Amino acid sequence: DAGVIQSPRHEVTEMGQEVTLRCKPISGHDYLFWYRQTMMRGLELLIYFNNNVPIDDSGMPEDRFSAKMPNASFSTLKIQPSEPRDSAVYFCASRLGTRFHEQYFGPGTRLTVT
Amino acid sequence: GNSVTQMEGPVTLSEEAFLTINCTYTATGYPSLFWYVQYPGEGLQLLLKATKADDKGSNKGFEATYRKETTSFHLEKGSVQVSDSAVYFCALSERKTSYDKVIFGPGTSLSVIP
Repeated sequence: DAGVIQSPRHEVTEMGQEVTLRCKPISGHDYLFWYRQTMMRGLELLIYFNNNVPIDDSGMPEDRFSAKMPNASFSTLKIQPSEPRDSAVYFCASRLGTRFHEQYFGPGTRLTVT
Repeated sequence: GNSVTQMEGPVTLSEEAFLTINCTYTATGYPSLFWYVQYPGEGLQLLLKATKADDKGSNKGFEATYRKETTSFHLEKGSVQVSDSAVYFCALSERKTSYDKVIFGPGTSLSVIP
């Protein structure tokens, strides 16, 4: 398997623009997670899905952030409008089944908002 | 609520030194415990895990024992190498209503110098 795939790997955009990050989980995995990592705040869970259904979005910082999972093989995280404080590395991860199993992380998308 | 606490870094060691990174947790139930490692420019990857009390997880010379009485899961390695330089995250996975949520610690940066 190719692992969790994220695109783009790097994104530079101007404040106010819409940004869409993409994730393809490992085939067969039923959980999908979006994380944000910054030096100041460390690794933060933004939202996670189970069987394509959003379960907990309490980590989504504000209404400018939205996430979707239209099918089992694709998810997006959208920021509209983007702000400089959104600059971070965004990770997608997937997992098969219960809490006994590991999460597999993608390589991340480094977002810079100028 | 449930949480994970790790010793603050950065930790700097000479090659072949003994490593301990402390991790303690707070949980209401019986979580699974994990150590993840993040190498520069990459996503997190599982290093080892333990799913019940007194289990010992081990991988690549690293070990950690699930201690329920002290709510700890300290990471140890007898002789570190330069290639072990990375950020290490302790994590727990708990059952939250019907779903399993993972909580990560803040991470501990390790630098190993020749």
